[in-house]
Amino acid sequence: GDSVTQMEGPVTLSEEAFLTINCTYTATGYPSLFWYVQYPGEGLQLLLKATKADDKGSNKGFEATYRKETTSFHLEKGSVQVSDSAVYFCALSDRMDSSYKLIFGSGTRLLVRP
Amino acid sequence: DAGVIQSPRHEVTEMGQEVTLRCKPISGHDYLFWYRQTMMRGLELLIYFNNNVPIDDSGMPEDRFSAKMPNASFSTLKIQPSEPRDSAVYFCASSLSTGGGETQYFGPGTRLLVL
Repeated sequence: GDSVTQMEGPVTLSEEAFLTINCTYTATGYPSLFWYVQYPGEGLQLLLKATKADDKGSNKGFEATYRKETTSFHLEKGSVQVSDSAVYFCALSDRMDSSYKLIFGSGTRLLVRP
Repeated sequence: DAGVIQSPRHEVTEMGQEVTLRCKPISGHDYLFWYRQTMMRGLELLIYFNNNVPIDDSGMPEDRFSAKMPNASFSTLKIQPSEPRDSAVYFCASSLSTGGGETQYFGPGTRLLVL
């Protein structure tokens, strides 16, 4: 079945450091890919998404490129801020399955120190 | 737009009691999802509805859990009787099936503690 694998956390960085959170997926169809972010005590918010190969999703300085050849969707940010501290979830929606269900990874906690 | 609304935000109850969680999806959305989040199991899909009809409840843990969607603007998740292992954060999410329907919008969650 479809699945998403994320790098284990927590990831601890200093402010202004470069961030990469790895995400790979397995899907039988041709999925859409997502990054959601969860701030402490809140629900998940869509951060960015990409719906086809080579698409780049971007938002708030974060970017991720849909790489079909490596089945990856790694999240990057050039300079993190303390306010980026949160849990980040990679997810896919397999459009061969018309249910619009999301398959989530286990989440990666990011802690940014001043 | 008010977003997805969930109530209560926090619930503390004793084992054996009935718990009802409520969700109001974004107006016009035709899909509604219930999730449970725990440290041990992460984010789990419990059940989802399309146009108020339950489509897949395979994630519902056991018969103590039930969900309804009597109309397009309201859904409930009920646990009866509750047990300590049901303690978790329960999220409701909704989406619109046309024009990129995979994007789900989450509510703030209900934090449930069963003593």
